[in-house]
Amino acid sequence: DVVLTQTPPTLSATIGQSVSISCRSSQSLLDSDGDTYLNWLLQRPGQSPQLLIYSVSNLESGVPNRFSGSGSETDFTLKISGVEAEDLGVYYCMQATHAPYTFGAGTKLELK
Amino acid sequence: QVTLKESGPGILQPSQTLSLTCTFSGFSLSTYGMGVGWIRQPSGKGLEWLANIWWDDDKYYNPSLKNRLTISKDTSNNQAFLKITNVDTADTATYYCARIDSTTVVPCYFDYWGQGVMVTVSS
Repeated sequence: DVVLTQTPPTLSATIGQSVSISCRSSQSLLDSDGDTYLNWLLQRPGQSPQLLIYSVSNLESGVPNRFSGSGSETDFTLKISGVEAEDLGVYYCMQATHAPYTFGAGTKLELK
Repeated sequence: QVTLKESGPGILQPSQTLSLTCTFSGFSLSTYGMGVGWIRQPSGKGLEWLANIWWDDDKYYNPSLKNRLTISKDTSNNQAFLKITNVDTADTATYYCARIDSTTVVPCYFDYWGQGVMVTVSS
C-alpha cells in the first residue's frame, strides 16, 4: 500500500500567517493516464471531511483561493496564504492513484 | 445540489453483519463516470478507504478487509450499500459515503461527503 507521510503533525498559527503542510508518498502518484490523484481535505471539528484541492493543484469549487496545492511524483505541499479562524481543523492528504486508496495521518492546525 | 446521507444500525454485536445505506441526490450512479465510495474513521483517528462502486457496476475493495466487504447500488432509488460481515470491535467507527466524479477533464475523487453514521460494535 502507498504510505503518505504528512508533516508536521501539528501546526500552530496566528490569524493571517501563511503555513504549509507537506505530504510525501512512498511511491510516485503519477498515474498511467497522466494525472496525479493527490487530494487535500479539511476536517473541521465535528464535521465530515471537505475536499479542498484535487489532483495536486485544482481548487475545488467554493474553496477560497488562499488555499493552493503544488508538487509532483512523491512530494506535495498544501499552502494556506493567510490563515483564517475557519481554517482550523485536521488536514489530510489522500491518494487515489494506487489501490487501495490511502490517507495521510493528518495535520492538526490550531491557533497559537 | 449534491447531497449524500448515510444510514445504519447504530449498534450491533460482534460477528453480526453491518449493513449501511448511502442515499444521495444531485447525481446519478447510472451516469457514465460517476461513482460512490465508502470511507470510515474510528473516533479520534484517521480515515480508511473501504470500497468504491462505479456507474458500470465495477467494484473495488480494500484488501485489508479481505472478503468481508460487499458494495452494491440501486440506481433507480439513488442508493449505494455496503455490507461488512463478521464485525468486531475494531469496526467501531463513523462511516462516510462520498461521491466520485470522473466525468470532468480531471477526475475528482470524493468531492462531496455525507455527514457520516456512527456504528458501534459491542457485546
